[in-house]
Amino acid sequence: GDSVTQMEGPVTLSEEAFLTINCTYTATGYPSLFWYVQYPGEGLQLLLKATKADDKGSNKGFEATYRKETTSFHLEKGSVQVSDSAVYFCAPGGATNKLIFGTGTLLAVQP
Amino acid sequence: GAGVSQSPRYKVAKRGQDVALRCDPISGHVSLFWYQQALGQGPEFLTYFQNEAQLDKSGLPSDRFFAERPEGSVSTLKIQRTQQEDSAVYLCASSPPLRGGGREQFFGPGTRLTVL
Repeated sequence: GDSVTQMEGPVTLSEEAFLTINCTYTATGYPSLFWYVQYPGEGLQLLLKATKADDKGSNKGFEATYRKETTSFHLEKGSVQVSDSAVYFCAPGGATNKLIFGTGTLLAVQP
Repeated sequence: GAGVSQSPRYKVAKRGQDVALRCDPISGHVSLFWYQQALGQGPEFLTYFQNEAQLDKSGLPSDRFFAERPEGSVSTLKIQRTQQEDSAVYLCASSPPLRGGGREQFFGPGTRLTVL
């Protein structure tokens, strides 16, 4: 069945450091790909998405590119801030558009 | 505008009790999803509705779990004879009626269920 493998955390970075969170997936066909974020004490919210191969999703300085050949959707940000501290979930959209979530990666950014 | 709301936010049940969790989706959203999130894990799909039709219930872990959406709006997830392993956060999400993939799901705050 569909599945996703996500970089394990926690990831601890200093402010202004470069961030990469790896995500690879297995899925039938060509799913849409999503990154969701869960800030402390808040609900899940969409960070960015890509709907077809080579699409780049971007939001709030974060980017991820849909790589069909490597079935990957790695999340990157050039300069993290303390306010980026959260749990990040990679999620391909499976059949019936249900989301298949990874285990989540906790990011802690220190000032 | 109003987002997805869920009630109760917290529920404590004794083992063997029945519970009912409510989800109010965003008005006009056709699709509604339930997920279960265990502590330290990502959400796992339970079931999916399009309007009042339950099109996918492959993620329901046992026949003690039942979901309904009789008028295509509010949905209820019912768990009968709760067990300790049912303790989790139950998330509801809705998405708008757009064709094809890429439809964002909007999540509610969740109901944290603790079974003693």
